[in-house]
Amino acid sequence: RKEVEQDPGPFNVPEGATVAFNCTYSNSASQSFFWYRQDCRKEPKLLMSVYSSGNEDGRFTAQLNRASQYISLLIRDSKLSDSATYLCVTPSLSGTYKYIFGTGTRLKVLA
Amino acid sequence: GAVVSQHPSRVICKSGTSVKIECRSLDFQATTMFWYRQFPKQSLMLMATSNEGSKATYEQGVEKDKFLINHASLTLSTLTVTSAHPEDSSFYICSATRGPGQPYQPQHFGDGTRLSIL
Repeated sequence: RKEVEQDPGPFNVPEGATVAFNCTYSNSASQSFFWYRQDCRKEPKLLMSVYSSGNEDGRFTAQLNRASQYISLLIRDSKLSDSATYLCVTPSLSGTYKYIFGTGTRLKVLA
Repeated sequence: GAVVSQHPSRVICKSGTSVKIECRSLDFQATTMFWYRQFPKQSLMLMATSNEGSKATYEQGVEKDKFLINHASLTLSTLTVTSAHPEDSSFYICSATRGPGQPYQPQHFGDGTRLSIL
């Protein structure tokens, strides 16, 4: 099982819709999670950090479910500009300091 | 948010040239910087971890003599692609962090460098 797994999508949603995607993780000891968005041919940009049960920033809400070992990202009132790939990232707990990336979920918001 | 500057953003050069990429943390002290490479439609691939004042740690399969990393200060790490060949063409991205420690802080990415070797 991969350490961090995401549905690659694409998720095609109309403008104004609410969309959610999940990221599952295999190490139950993981405590820190980060959501990034990456536009085509650009660097990842940090959306939010999650250390406890969840976090909210405007239209974006992240929720952490430790029992089922997944973290979700909910986007309300989708905008065309939300179209991007969303990356779920968590620090490796293998003893080496590095970060583990999910493959990303591609979102397309349609007019 | 934290600002990480990467330079240059685009390089086009002939095969055999060495290319130096700089990664600067502008508003915080980056104990650790990471260097990634990303091919089209693929995930970021970690190349090496750079710690200030010590040798970089390379991921398996990444040639340390090919990709020279120097992290001389808490705000600057450089990646030099030596004797670059067309197969080295890729998108190189650095990230900077304050280092390990609970709670883990996020990494902040530079703008990336698109390298094209002719």
